Amino acid sequence: GDSVTQMEGPVTLSEEAFLTINCTYTATGYPSLFWYVQYPGEGLQLLLKATKADDKGSNKGFEATYRKETTSFHLEKGSVQVSDSAVYFCALSRSGGYNKLIFGAGTRLAVHP
Amino acid sequence: GAVVSQHPSWVICKSGTSVKIECRSLDFQATTMFWYRQFPKQSLMLMATSNEGSKATYEQGVEKDKFLINHASLTLSTLTVTSAHPEDSSFYICSALRGLAAEQYFGPGTRLTVT
Repeated sequence: GDSVTQMEGPVTLSEEAFLTINCTYTATGYPSLFWYVQYPGEGLQLLLKATKADDKGSNKGFEATYRKETTSFHLEKGSVQVSDSAVYFCALSRSGGYNKLIFGAGTRLAVHP
Repeated sequence: GAVVSQHPSWVICKSGTSVKIECRSLDFQATTMFWYRQFPKQSLMLMATSNEGSKATYEQGVEKDKFLINHASLTLSTLTVTSAHPEDSSFYICSALRGLAAEQYFGPGTRLTVT
């Protein structure tokens, strides 16, 4: 069945460091791919998405490119801030929309001043 | 922005009792809501899809008589864990679909501990 695999955390970085959180997926066809972020005490929020191969999603300085050949959707940010500390979830949907999301385990990011 | 709340945020109950968790869309109407369960260091797993005015659709392996879902209005869905046991202890998260783009908006979750 469909699945999403994320790198295990926690990831600990200093402010202004470069961030990469790896995400790979297994699915038939062409799923839509998502990154969600969960700040402490809050619900998951959509960070960015991509719906077809080679699409790049971007938001708040974060980027991820849909790589069909490597079945990956790695999250990157050039310079992290303390306020980026959160749990990040990679997810896919085969329906093309937001229904039936399949999530990775989540990666906790801690950014220190 | 779209806000989804859950109540309670945490609950402790004794084995054999039932617990109800509420999920509300505060500033929009949602004909469809989802219930997820999350174990420590594991993925969110979809339990069921809740549609206003109709029966919920449960994912394979989820006991519908154990996890009762009611979606009686466009802003409220409830999950009742019946005859709870310690293995039901988990983090339960709901989400609601909003608008034509039908993006999912998530609640902050409810931590259930069964003693």
